[in-house]
Amino acid sequence: DSGVTQTPKHLITATGQRVTLRCSPRSGDLSVYWYQQSLDQGLQFLIQYYNGEERAKGNILERFSAQQFPDLHSELNLSSLELGDSALYFCASSVAGSPNQPQHFGDGTRLSIL
Amino acid sequence: GQQVMQIPQYQHVQEGEDFTTYCNSSTTLSNIQWYKQRPGGHPVFLIQLVKSGEVKKQKRLTFQFGEAKKNSSLHITATQTTDVGTYFCAGGSNDYKLSFGAGTTVTVRA
Repeated sequence: DSGVTQTPKHLITATGQRVTLRCSPRSGDLSVYWYQQSLDQGLQFLIQYYNGEERAKGNILERFSAQQFPDLHSELNLSSLELGDSALYFCASSVAGSPNQPQHFGDGTRLSIL
Repeated sequence: GQQVMQIPQYQHVQEGEDFTTYCNSSTTLSNIQWYKQRPGGHPVFLIQLVKSGEVKKQKRLTFQFGEAKKNSSLHITATQTTDVGTYFCAGGSNDYKLSFGAGTTVTVRA
């Protein structure tokens, strides 16, 4: 158990819809990272938040947005969903904001677009 | 931007044999991390290398960081069925991003 909690575990929805994925970091971790993993693909970094502020941005689409709340949990919002958005979305957390810190991953949310 | 290339993409190993997976970056890295993802699971942090030429061992796993801090390798000896999974390297840079390689997926023949 990594201590990172992601909900829901599975999400099935239709094209054009909007969903929200939620992540609670490990106790004491200030950074939250979001990744997308498509079938047989590596981990694509989407965005990082550190102590409520956006720290780094990766290949995140304009249809996607995220935020980190004062209690440090984070939400990833995906809108105008397309078939290609079907993937496993991981959240990870680390103690500080530096990429030198090991990241601890949650179990992921599997998103299926029909 | 920084890219981390990892080879091979797939590694089919006979139980008991050794193998190595390699990771190469186009730029100098601040550190390299290795993660393992079991089938159906999430990536789990294995180790971090920071110093040029650093070598670390975890039982049958040996991790190396190149002298130029642009490449790394993971060598597994006497492969076991518990080694099945995808091994990712991830390179850290000074722009607060950790770039993951595409991973090496390992299968083991008993």
